[in-house]
Amino acid sequence: GDSVTQMEGPVTLSEEAFLTINCTYTATGYPSLFWYVQYPGEGLQLLLKATKADDKGSNKGFEATYRKETTSFHLEKGSVQVSDSAVYFCALSEGDYKLSFGAGTTVTVRA
Amino acid sequence: GAVVSQHPSRVICKSGTSVKIECRSLDFQATTMFWYRQFPKQSLMLMATSNEGSKATYEQGVEKDKFLINHASLTLSTLTVTSAHPEDSSFYICSAGEAGLGWAEQYFGPGTRLTVT
Repeated sequence: GDSVTQMEGPVTLSEEAFLTINCTYTATGYPSLFWYVQYPGEGLQLLLKATKADDKGSNKGFEATYRKETTSFHLEKGSVQVSDSAVYFCALSEGDYKLSFGAGTTVTVRA
Repeated sequence: GAVVSQHPSRVICKSGTSVKIECRSLDFQATTMFWYRQFPKQSLMLMATSNEGSKATYEQGVEKDKFLINHASLTLSTLTVTSAHPEDSSFYICSAGEAGLGWAEQYFGPGTRLTVT
């Protein structure tokens, strides 16, 4: 079945540092890929998505590229801020509403 | 953006009792709602999918008689945990999808922390 594996946290960074969160997936078909973010006390929010190979999703300075050859969708941000402290979830969907999530990575950015 | 609320945010109940969690879409009509369960430091696990006016579809391994889902209107779905036991303690999250938004465009509620004593 479909599954998502993302790097374990927690990840602690200083402001303006470079952030990478690795995500790889297993799917039978051609899934769409997503990154969701959960800020403290809030619900999950869609951060970015990519629907086909080589697509790049981007939002709020975050980027992720759909790499079919390596079945990966790594999240990156060049210069993090304290406000980026959150839990980040990688997820996939194979055409219906169902989402399969990774375990989540807690990111803490220190001033 | 679309807002989904959950009530209550936290609930403590005694073993053997039932507890109801509400999920509401505040500014859109949710044709499909999802219920997830999240264990500490683990991912969200989909429990069931419900479409307004029809029976919920439960994921494998989820007891439908224990976790009763009702999606009676386009803005409200409820999850009732019946005869709760300490192992049912968890973080329950709902999400809602709107017809025409495209698949996986789900809006998530803030979650409900259930503690069974």
